[in-house]
Amino acid sequence: ETGVTQTPRHLVMGMTNKKSLKCEQHLGHNAMYWYKQSAKKPLELMFVYSLEERVENNSVPSRFSPECPNSSHLFLHLHTLQPEDSALYLCASSQDWDRLLSPLHFGNGTRLTVT
Amino acid sequence: AQSVTQPDIHITVSEGASLELRCNYSYGATPYLFWYVQSPGQGLQLLLKYFSGDTLVQGIKGFEAEFKRSQSSFNLRKPSVHWSDAAEYFCAVGAGRDAGGTSYGKLTFGQGTILTVHP
Repeated sequence: ETGVTQTPRHLVMGMTNKKSLKCEQHLGHNAMYWYKQSAKKPLELMFVYSLEERVENNSVPSRFSPECPNSSHLFLHLHTLQPEDSALYLCASSQDWDRLLSPLHFGNGTRLTVT
Repeated sequence: AQSVTQPDIHITVSEGASLELRCNYSYGATPYLFWYVQSPGQGLQLLLKYFSGDTLVQGIKGFEAEFKRSQSSFNLRKPSVHWSDAAEYFCAVGAGRDAGGTSYGKLTFGQGTILTVHP
């Protein structure tokens, strides 16, 4: 399997639940990203990891907790979310986080609905 | 801070017609510019990018874009649209190499333009 794979594709959770989103990349990239895509809003960068170290946290609430155990895997742990957190969550990877010459490769996203 | 404006939220064209999607950016130095496409239920796919050199860049699927510094624009074009081009298109800008002498990896995306293609 190649590219960036995200699971699950769809997730419905209550506000008191705990769930995790998973992302795996098979491209040998060093950087991984979480983006949030809400209706009628630009893509919002949430977190950036480079070689398993977090290099960017874009003022994201603590109810979102990222984890990067190795350069191929990225998780987003979710806890006590709000309905306004419902969105498409996209994972991406690139060769290096600080070099725009290496473009982003996106997964197909997880559609999250918070009830 | 950099910003991107895509003035058209939704565009409808007939199959076989030409297409131009507008993108205006704001950035003080040399920008890195990108166009991505997102089909329904999919992630974003890179169509093309501009870093330097020739201001007319060719991308995948027959798309091209032209960087016009004087107009702060990077419009996407295709001479003949196919039904499979129906998707949402995103323009993005990032900091160029002369931003303090280092490159910077953060992209700013526009709000997107939804393209509908009529048969």
